[in-house]
Amino acid sequence: DQQVKQNSPSLSVQEGRISILNCDYTNSMFDYFLWYKKYPAEGPTFLISISSIKDKNEDGRFTVFLNKSAKHLSLHIVPSQPGDSAVYFCAASSYTGNQFYFGTGTSLTVIP
Amino acid sequence: DGGITQSPKYLFRKEGQNVTLSCEQNLNHDAMYWYRQDPGQGLRLIYYSQIVNDFQKGDIAEGYSVSREKKESFPLTVTSAQKNPTAFYLCASSHRDSPLGGYTFGSGTRLTVV
Repeated sequence: DQQVKQNSPSLSVQEGRISILNCDYTNSMFDYFLWYKKYPAEGPTFLISISSIKDKNEDGRFTVFLNKSAKHLSLHIVPSQPGDSAVYFCAASSYTGNQFYFGTGTSLTVIP
Repeated sequence: DGGITQSPKYLFRKEGQNVTLSCEQNLNHDAMYWYRQDPGQGLRLIYYSQIVNDFQKGDIAEGYSVSREKKESFPLTVTSAQKNPTAFYLCASSHRDSPLGGYTFGSGTRLTVV
């Protein structure tokens, strides 16, 4: 059973606009959340993280929002750039867990 | 430069053969992981190891085996018992007690059964 879900397999956005990628989870014990970016035939690279004691974390153009009551997190990219075109995975883990659970990914295309 | 190296990048295997995928890291990370990626699916955990000489099964361990004789190395063997081995395999490592630091991933091995 998929504990972390990304319901949008793909997203297209114009360059300069905001990209919003969504992620839902089912396990209320999850405390840590990460976003990864992946290019084809490469390993994912860590982008940004958030713990459950916060509802927002910002790093440059990337902001992650966490809504624990809704078991939902989102990644905002502003402004979007063509180089942001990649597959984005969200991942979640509990404080006592031994692994991160990954979503199925959202393929973002930023159109110049 | 510190990093995690997977080899080979592409691997072809005949049905019925075992094959071993290499994963080496020089990040001094305690924990190492093997994930499998299939089209339309998230990364699924095969095996993980938090210390040398110890490893645990993940969600899809059947048909795979691992060893952790050195901190730096965590090879994965895909055995002939694995029914659908064609996939993209990713190795990762992390500090055991720093979950927000995330994993560092290798560049992956694409295994194709012919």
